[in-house]
Amino acid sequence: SQQGEEDPQALSIQEGENATMNCSYKTSINNLQWYRQNSGRGLVHLILIRSNEREKHSGRLRVTLDTSKKSSSLLITASRAADTASYFCVEDSSYKLIFGSGTRLLVRP
Amino acid sequence: EAGVAQSPRYKIIEKRQSVAFWCNPISGHATLYWYQQILGQGPKLLIQFQNNGVVDDSQLPKDRFSAERLKGVDSTLKIQPAKLEDSAVYLCASSLGNLIGTEAFFGQGTRLTVV
Repeated sequence: SQQGEEDPQALSIQEGENATMNCSYKTSINNLQWYRQNSGRGLVHLILIRSNEREKHSGRLRVTLDTSKKSSSLLITASRAADTASYFCVEDSSYKLIFGSGTRLLVRP
Repeated sequence: EAGVAQSPRYKIIEKRQSVAFWCNPISGHATLYWYQQILGQGPKLLIQFQNNGVVDDSQLPKDRFSAERLKGVDSTLKIQPAKLEDSAVYLCASSLGNLIGTEAFFGQGTRLTVV
């Protein structure tokens, strides 16, 4: 399978806690992207980190990238119930977007 | 800005029947993707177009699936004949597809049930 893997597969936390999701990918990337999917808004792009970057922030999101290990992590700080969704890391290899298996996040009120 | 439009939203067909899905990408987006998402899994890339040319269709079951992108804009994905395992959500996405931006914008998808 071309798909990368994400860890954990499922995560349940209390509102206000931080959530960390990890991703291992397989190809030589131009960049790595994270997407969120929920029933209300469908699949939405969250953040992109280029292959020459190591860390990037956007609001409550922090993404790290280690190209030597082909891994990335997504940290969501001060989680909210509305963050409940599936999160996917997506490797961009020559504009081909390959999705990982996803992490299902449940934020309990 | 109008998003990616897909139709229909839902479709139920019997196995061995044929079905077609339509996608209208965001204006000006050169790259168009079709993904298949089976319940509980991440989306799997079926085919990728750059303008009206195919960039990648390595995971498209070509004995039953076909896709085209007319004039580099709208696209249709067809399944003929359908199998039970084709039950999934079919997602269309588009992006600028260049160094400026590869962020993909997704449509709401078509949920296909094959019975």
